[in-house]
Amino acid sequence: QKEVEQDPGPLSVPEGAIVSLNCTYSNSAFQYFMWYRQYSRKGPELLMYTYSSGNKEDGRFTAQVDKSSKYISLFIRDSQPSDSATYLCAMSEYNQGGKLIFGQGTELSVKP
Amino acid sequence: EAQVTQNPRYLITVTGKKLTVTCSQNMNHEYMSWYRQDPGLGLRQIYYSMNVEVTDKGDVPEGYKVSRKEKRNFPLILESPSPNQTSLYFCASRRLAGGGLLKETQYFGPGTRLLVL
Repeated sequence: QKEVEQDPGPLSVPEGAIVSLNCTYSNSAFQYFMWYRQYSRKGPELLMYTYSSGNKEDGRFTAQVDKSSKYISLFIRDSQPSDSATYLCAMSEYNQGGKLIFGQGTELSVKP
Repeated sequence: EAQVTQNPRYLITVTGKKLTVTCSQNMNHEYMSWYRQDPGLGLRQIYYSMNVEVTDKGDVPEGYKVSRKEKRNFPLILESPSPNQTSLYFCASRRLAGGGLLKETQYFGPGTRLLVL
């Protein structure tokens, strides 16, 4: 079993929809959780960074962590065609560096 | 402009021929790391470095070497490449956040596409 599991999709939604992207993990020591967006033929870019359980909001994006269920989510409100990309979750035990474990990535397509 | 540069961007080589992929960052970041990206497997960390002369294995270090002699550079060395190392490679750097919920700043390079025949 992989340490981090993510549904690879692809996921296709109409413009304006609410998108929910999810990851599950098995290592209860993970405390730092990240979401990256990767456009085709580009390097990933950091979208959201959260620590421990709870919600964090940044514009149309909300990251949610449920450590008791070992489950993290990224919600995108009012999705736009420009949100079409692959979204990767990542997690780490430590804030000060250390290993970073990624999910497989979910390919999202937002149709106009 | 803050950036991570990788060279070369594309490389075709043959089994067993040593190669080095360079990575350089201009942000004075402490932490640098290398990843490979393969279809269906996401990003997998190869090696990371917390600072000069401090390196450690990631998830898939076999067949790779790294060194960190200067803060800005973190080359990836394949001493004897094999076809299973054909992949897309990314270098990344990040500032190590201090205590509290500081916003992470992390940058990835543009990627190096490697084909080993």
